[in-house]
Amino acid sequence: NAGVMQNPRHLVRRRGQEARLRCSPMKGHSHVYWYRQLPEEGLKFMVYLQKENIIDESGMPKERFSAEFPKEGPSILRIQQVVRGDSAAYFCASSPGQFENSPLHFGNGTRLTVT
Amino acid sequence: AQSVTQLGSHVSVSEGALVLLRCNYSSSVPPYLFWYVQYPNQGLQLLLKYTTGATLVKGINGFEAEFKKSETSFHLTKPSAHMSDAAEYFCAVSGRYAGNMLTFGGGTRLMVKP
Repeated sequence: NAGVMQNPRHLVRRRGQEARLRCSPMKGHSHVYWYRQLPEEGLKFMVYLQKENIIDESGMPKERFSAEFPKEGPSILRIQQVVRGDSAAYFCASSPGQFENSPLHFGNGTRLTVT
Repeated sequence: AQSVTQLGSHVSVSEGALVLLRCNYSSSVPPYLFWYVQYPNQGLQLLLKYTTGATLVKGINGFEAEFKKSETSFHLTKPSAHMSDAAEYFCAVSGRYAGNMLTFGGGTRLMVKP
């Protein structure tokens, strides 16, 4: 049973370009969470999605960032017009439902470097 | 609102010594508490979790943690460190009735000396 798959593992973008990060949840999981880890810091919640719905985006920057989880295909985190401060590791996690004690399964992350 | 504080961003122990990683939390609702481990360039792996019931929780790789409500703590321990335990450890809290969204502490990097 494949775990949470994220691609690419490493992504380099120049300032002003767009970054697209993909996440395929574990089989049977319909809930996806995106977290950002800045260098030497813990993980910060960004957004929580179910299929075709954004449930909570309270951690997403108001501009340039968007996320979706379509009916078919992976969840996408999109960052437009990237800046150096966007350089971080972005982790996706999935769960089978919103049961409070159902632990999240994390992918290996996408490390974004903005030059 | 919830928050997690991990005391000590870096902890160094000798192989075979006791490992103690500290975690204190703040939560306005009964918490669920988690410890995750992150190896270099990898994602987070669940070590253990506390939801309800027994306050001493045993996890993988010989780790355990005790939920102490009066101290709002959930410290992680292992009796004898192994070189393979060197990694970053994150304590996290989620609020009961608040879904699975986790609030993480800043992490503690554990170094194990031979």
